[in-house]
Amino acid sequence: QKEVEQNSGPLSVPEGAIASLNCTYSDRGSQSFFWYRQYSGKSPELIMFIYSNGDKEDGRFTAQLNKASQYVSLLIRDSQPSDSATYLCAVSRGWSSASKIIFGSGTRLSIRP
Amino acid sequence: SQTIHQWPATLVQPVGSPLSLECTVEGTSNPNLYWYRQAAGRGLQLLFYSVGIGQISSEVPQNLSASRPQDRQFILSSKKLLLSDSGFYLCAWSGAGRSYEQYFGPGTRLTVT
Repeated sequence: QKEVEQNSGPLSVPEGAIASLNCTYSDRGSQSFFWYRQYSGKSPELIMFIYSNGDKEDGRFTAQLNKASQYVSLLIRDSQPSDSATYLCAVSRGWSSASKIIFGSGTRLSIRP
Repeated sequence: SQTIHQWPATLVQPVGSPLSLECTVEGTSNPNLYWYRQAAGRGLQLLFYSVGIGQISSEVPQNLSASRPQDRQFILSSKKLLLSDSGFYLCAWSGAGRSYEQYFGPGTRLTVT
């Protein structure tokens, strides 16, 4: 079992709709959860992080965390063509000052006009 | 604000040649620094991390090494490159202590021929 699992996609969503990206993790001791967006040929960009159960909203993005079920999700409202990218889920135990992060392989999202 | 630089942006090197990639961070002190590699179509693999000058932890045994000669400088090296060393090399930083978010530099795309 991979430590962080994501559906590789591609996930195709019409423009203006809600895109829902999901991620599960295996380490119950995980404390910190991140979503990165990576455009083709570019480096990952941190777009959301969440530490507590529940929802966290930032503009069109909402991160949802359920520690009991060991999943984290990212919702993108009013999807735009510029949202087309690979989204990486990442998880950290946060137990050391180096706070190593484990990344999933990413979900490719395509927003169709 | 903090800025992270990597150079070179792209590099083509023959098998058996040496390698030196550099990463510098501006606008913060005593950051945690990380080297990742992303092979084509794959997830991010943590190679090295550092919590301070001269302190390097290796995650994957291979023909690469890392050094941190200054607080905000992180160098990735190899004495002899292998074909399998090709990939997208990413440097990242996070704040010391309870700051778990990692921020990536623009990356170096290395092709070993």
